[in-house]
Amino acid sequence: GAVVSQHPSWVICKSGTSVKIECRSLDFQATTMFWYRQFPKQSLMLMATSNEGSKATYEQGVEKDKFLINHASLTLSTLTVTSAHPEDSSFYICSENSGRTDNEQFFGPGTRLTVL
Amino acid sequence: DAKTTQPPSMDCAEGRAANLPCNHSTISGNEYVYWYRQIHSQGPQYIIHGLKNNETNEMASLIITEDRKSSTLILPHATLRDTAVYYCIVRARGTASKLTFGTGTRLQVTL
Repeated sequence: GAVVSQHPSWVICKSGTSVKIECRSLDFQATTMFWYRQFPKQSLMLMATSNEGSKATYEQGVEKDKFLINHASLTLSTLTVTSAHPEDSSFYICSENSGRTDNEQFFGPGTRLTVL
Repeated sequence: DAKTTQPPSMDCAEGRAANLPCNHSTISGNEYVYWYRQIHSQGPQYIIHGLKNNETNEMASLIITEDRKSSTLILPHATLRDTAVYYCIVRARGTASKLTFGTGTRLQVTL
């Protein structure tokens, strides 16, 4: 199956700084990738759909100017958390639609962000 | 996408079959049933999916009722490594079709 990697796996930053998280599809050219956020003891919440070569589509309530998404190539999507604050501390997970068979999605291992 | 209902938690003895139910009474004709699981602090892992026929792969079996209003994921011989949150998701086919995660079932496999 498809393999998705994320970098970094964890990051600690000071409040007010920006953090970039990379999501790579290692064996498939993904025109569509998804970004999720998961707070402790909660389920995954979709933040946005990343489309290669075009603007991302954000879910209701997600600030597009705070969570910048870039999908410049078919194998790389990045999520930048701008001016991070402690309430942005969360587990960020990306996924890609394999586009094969019945479109099962494959997820990255996640990035743990802690904002001090 | 149709909503799903799952029990919040289940226990299973190691070596026994784990049967995880899911109710999706509002499923429509073009929607598939997908199962994922999430082991603590990891990204979700795809398990299996189906439309109307029962499906089996190396990880699990998926039994879908004839009216498609419910399904059961079966792990035939549960091990401690199967301890995870299991998510049943209904989704239409399509490359841009997003997954909506509910609260899932927390399966605890015990010795």
